[in-house]
Amino acid sequence: DAKTTQPPSMDCAEGRAANLPCNHSTISGNEYVYWYRQIHSQGPQYIIHGLKNNETNEMASLIITEDRKSSTLILPHATLRDTAVYYCIVGGHSSGNTGKLIFGQGTTLQVKP
Amino acid sequence: DAGITQSPRHKVTETGTPVTLRCHQTENHRYMYWYRQDPGHGLRLIHYSYGVKDTDKGEVSDGYSVSRSKTEDFLLTLESATSSQTSVYFCAISAGLVGEQFFGPGTRLTVL
Repeated sequence: DAKTTQPPSMDCAEGRAANLPCNHSTISGNEYVYWYRQIHSQGPQYIIHGLKNNETNEMASLIITEDRKSSTLILPHATLRDTAVYYCIVGGHSSGNTGKLIFGQGTTLQVKP
Repeated sequence: DAGITQSPRHKVTETGTPVTLRCHQTENHRYMYWYRQDPGHGLRLIHYSYGVKDTDKGEVSDGYSVSRSKTEDFLLTLESATSSQTSVYFCAISAGLVGEQFFGPGTRLTVL
């Protein structure tokens, strides 16, 4: 399974865009990039996923580089409620994979007033 | 919110006792997962299921067993609990290999 590298922590001002980077240089062609977040003591929450193209939903945008070795999660207008640990995960249809997610340490995003 | 519940939500037990945690879903999803979360380790996969009676080991399966006799329930059993199994346990479900996994609220287990 491909591994990811994320900065351990980031700060963002409330109302500003939060840009969370992730490196996944060993990603293989059929693996997706997923982003989840975990707010203190709650279960992880799905945010978005993508394969090659950029994706956007009501929560965030996912920008994947052309070589797929890195990606950025963008929260367009961060609020205090977006303070959480954000996990970048790669996974997909590789042989033997049954959708299990391998979580790293994630990035702790602190949104400040 | 996805229909996924875990029981009990909190449990304190003693070393050597058996413990069973239950994950129940109302979504009829095929895939179910058990993770544990400890400080400094993030979430780690214990076992997963890809159908009724179809289960397999994750990265930290030693000391745990699972059963899935029907689609909606996935049980995690600690045959003889140890203090190293003190953790927060999360269950997750998904409809397919790709896409969203829905996580339950977690069970906080303390083994004394």
